[in-house]
Amino acid sequence: QKEVEQDPGPLSVPEGAIVSLNCTYSNSAFQYFMWYRQYSRKGPELLMYTYSSGNKEDGRFTAQVDKSSKYISLFIRDSQPSDSATYLCAMSGTGGFKTIFGAGTRLFVKA
Amino acid sequence: NAGVTQTPKFQVLKTGQSMTLQCAQDMNHNSMYWYRQDPGMGLRLIYYSASEGTTDKGEVPNGYNVSRLNKREFSLRLESAAPSQTSVYFCASSVFRGTASGANVLTFGAGSRLTVL
Repeated sequence: QKEVEQDPGPLSVPEGAIVSLNCTYSNSAFQYFMWYRQYSRKGPELLMYTYSSGNKEDGRFTAQVDKSSKYISLFIRDSQPSDSATYLCAMSGTGGFKTIFGAGTRLFVKA
Repeated sequence: NAGVTQTPKFQVLKTGQSMTLQCAQDMNHNSMYWYRQDPGMGLRLIYYSASEGTTDKGEVPNGYNVSRLNKREFSLRLESAAPSQTSVYFCASSVFRGTASGANVLTFGAGSRLTVL
């Protein structure tokens, strides 16, 4: 079993829809939960991260962490065609150099 | 400000050939990393260097060697390439020092696409 599970999709939604992307994990030691966005033929770039449980909002993006269920989510409001990309969840422990990534969910937002 | 620069961008090798992937960062970051990305597998850590002069194995180190040449540069070497090493390789860097506080936020290069025939 992988430490981090993420549905690869693809997920296709119309412009303006609310998108929900999710990951589950098995390692209780994870404390930092990150979301990276990767456009085709590019390197991943950090969208946002949260520490421990709770919510964090940044513009149209909201990250949620439920440590009791070992479940994290990324919500995208008012999705735009420019949001079409692969979204990777990632996690690490406190003080740890090793970041574990999910397989990534490919998102298509249709105009 | 170039960020993380990887060379080459594309490479085709025959089984058994060797090659080195180069990576340089200009952000004065302390730690550097090599990942490989394969369909359905996500990014997997090959090796990392927490600071200049140190290197450590990641999740999939077999068949690879690394060198942290200085604070800016971190190279990945395939001594005898195998078809299973066909992948997209990403170098990343981070200001992270391994302290108890703060997330390890990675800055990635654009990737190097390697095909081993």
